[in-house]
Amino acid sequence: KAGVTQTPRYLIKTRGQQVTLSCSPISGHRSVSWYQQTPGQGLQFLFEYFSETQRNKGNFPGRFSGRQFSNSRSEMNVSTLELGDSALYLCASSLAGQPNEKLFFGSGTQLSVL
Amino acid sequence: QQPVQSPQAVILREGEDAVINCSSSKALYSVHWYRQKHGEAPVFLMILLKGGEQKGHEKISASFNEKKQQSSLYLTASQLSYSGTYFCGTEKGGMTTDSWGKLQFGAGTQVVVTP
Repeated sequence: KAGVTQTPRYLIKTRGQQVTLSCSPISGHRSVSWYQQTPGQGLQFLFEYFSETQRNKGNFPGRFSGRQFSNSRSEMNVSTLELGDSALYLCASSLAGQPNEKLFFGSGTQLSVL
Repeated sequence: QQPVQSPQAVILREGEDAVINCSSSKALYSVHWYRQKHGEAPVFLMILLKGGEQKGHEKISASFNEKKQQSSLYLTASQLSYSGTYFCGTEKGGMTTDSWGKLQFGAGTQVVVTP
């Protein structure tokens, strides 16, 4: 079974630009969640999608948005990039996002904002 | 609310033991533990559910004290492969979907195992 695939692996953008990150979950997984990882902060929850619906959202500004397609693939968009958005963005998938399900993480997209 | 992990870092010699703690100020339904090696994705270790279950993974085990809203991860007879950053992730509430898929992770505990 293929794992969680995130593309691209690395991105370099400048302030003010926007960016779209992609995540393909494990086949059969319908829940996709996104996390921002920065040194010292651990993983900060961004949002979670299930069956094309955003079910939960973390404390991030509206510049961060996402969506999920009917094949469970998910995209995350960040508009008007700021320097502080530089981070590793991880997506994780699970069958249905239930509390007793483990998450399978992708290798992440390393975003650098200059 | 982000759970609090302690210690922030620990250095061990092969064969030594260590304990990593994860505390939350809110009632928890489940606690997840993941390990991330440098430049790699976090990898699942175990889940503990409300009820105080103790799970094991090789020589790594964990407990969940729901009264104290605290979980502890025990690294026994550590091996070089145990090096990495350990994260606990907590999920509140029970089986209502408004809390599903929303893990709150601690800042991580860096573990270095030396020969």
